[in-house]
Amino acid sequence: NAGVTQTPKFQVLKTGQSMTLQCAQDMNHEYMSWYRQDPGMGLRLIHYSVGAGITDQGEVPNGYNVSRSTTEDFPLRLLSAAPSQTSVYFCASSKGGTGISPLHFGNGTRLTVT
Amino acid sequence: DAKTTQPPSMDCAEGRAANLPCNHSTISGNEYVYWYRQIHSQGPQYIIHGLKNNETNEMASLIITEDRKSSTLILPHATLRDTAVYYCIVRVASSGGSNYKLTFGKGTLLTVNP
Repeated sequence: NAGVTQTPKFQVLKTGQSMTLQCAQDMNHEYMSWYRQDPGMGLRLIHYSVGAGITDQGEVPNGYNVSRSTTEDFPLRLLSAAPSQTSVYFCASSKGGTGISPLHFGNGTRLTVT
Repeated sequence: DAKTTQPPSMDCAEGRAANLPCNHSTISGNEYVYWYRQIHSQGPQYIIHGLKNNETNEMASLIITEDRKSSTLILPHATLRDTAVYYCIVRVASSGGSNYKLTFGKGTLLTVNP
């Protein structure tokens, strides 16, 4: 199994450009989420989804949009990139149900905004 | 979710057991203890979790004290590839949207030396 796949692995944007970070999982997981990781800040939740068609905001949602049209995919959109969005982005997924299922993470997208 | 306290760094000799402590003195009765690790430039990886009984899997053992206020992750025979940041996380296991809302602190940087 591929698990959680994120593309691209690296991206450089100019301020004001838009782009979509892709995330796909092949484990039929209900829950998917996006985190960003900055030095000294740990992982912070951006957006999450509890199933296809359902999304909600996390801790730091401003500047990002998400949609969940299928169980497998959960893309993260940057509408107008800013230098403050320079970070490493991780997508994660887990089973639904009782809520004790562990998160499975992708290997991240390293984004630089100049 | 209860707060956790971990030492910022630890060293271990290759082949020896690595014992990583975590203090969670405010843990509630329905909160699980999770351990993840993050190898440099990779996404976090789930290791193990437990409620009150000791747990063991192919990666590690988790020892939770009887009062559940602290726990220890044991890597029985550490290798150089175990060098990583280890995160101890405490959270309630419940159905619904909070399943993925893990709060990652700064963790413990374990360095395995040859």
